[in-house]
Amino acid sequence: DTGVSQDPRHKITKRGQNVTFRCDPISEHNRLYWYRQTLGQGPEFLTYFQNEAQLEKSRLLSDRFSAERPKGSFSTLEIQRTEQGDSAMYLCASSSSQLREQETQYFGPGTRLLVL
Amino acid sequence: DAKTTQPNSMESNEEEPVHLPCNHSTISGTDYIHWYRQLPSQGPEYVIHGLTSNVNNRMASLAIAEDRKSSTLILHRATLRDAAVYYCILRPLRTSGTYKYIFGTGTRLKVLA
Repeated sequence: DTGVSQDPRHKITKRGQNVTFRCDPISEHNRLYWYRQTLGQGPEFLTYFQNEAQLEKSRLLSDRFSAERPKGSFSTLEIQRTEQGDSAMYLCASSSSQLREQETQYFGPGTRLLVL
Repeated sequence: DAKTTQPNSMESNEEEPVHLPCNHSTISGTDYIHWYRQLPSQGPEYVIHGLTSNVNNRMASLAIAEDRKSSTLILHRATLRDAAVYYCILRPLRTSGTYKYIFGTGTRLKVLA
């Protein structure tokens, strides 16, 4: 079990550019989540996948944001036409539905985005 | 969505026990109580969870009030490595169509040497 990994760990971009982040969940986990965290706040839910299906999206996920999980394995989160307000830590988490009531989300180290 | 309320910050001396409270007065009968902690520049780390009974693991203990409207995370001997933001989260047992966590602002624990 290598845990949830995210790449890159840090990203600096200029306003208006597109960025893409990758998340590799724990291998046997079928559920994957994206959260966003700004300074001093707790993480906020963005979206959730079960296998390859995107089942829930937050209103925070504007049309500039898109997430995919092809083949139900890794996931990507893309932000188009970045804005300074997109600067945040983007966190990925995964869990297994087979654990039912013991189901717990395990988080990756996050990708810190800075938009200049 | 049921919400939790935690103090913004707490301090503890090293090697002393720490009791971190959480109020969740609107908890439903099928909500699990989960605790996470987040060290600087890292993702949240799972600590412990429970439903009704008190729980112990190698990291901490969780004491749940009889009416389940509050809970307390207990670190038996705080170390400097326990300095983090601690989050109390409610997770529905049976899906209401969502599996998301709703985080509050958590409790920032400072451990004094």
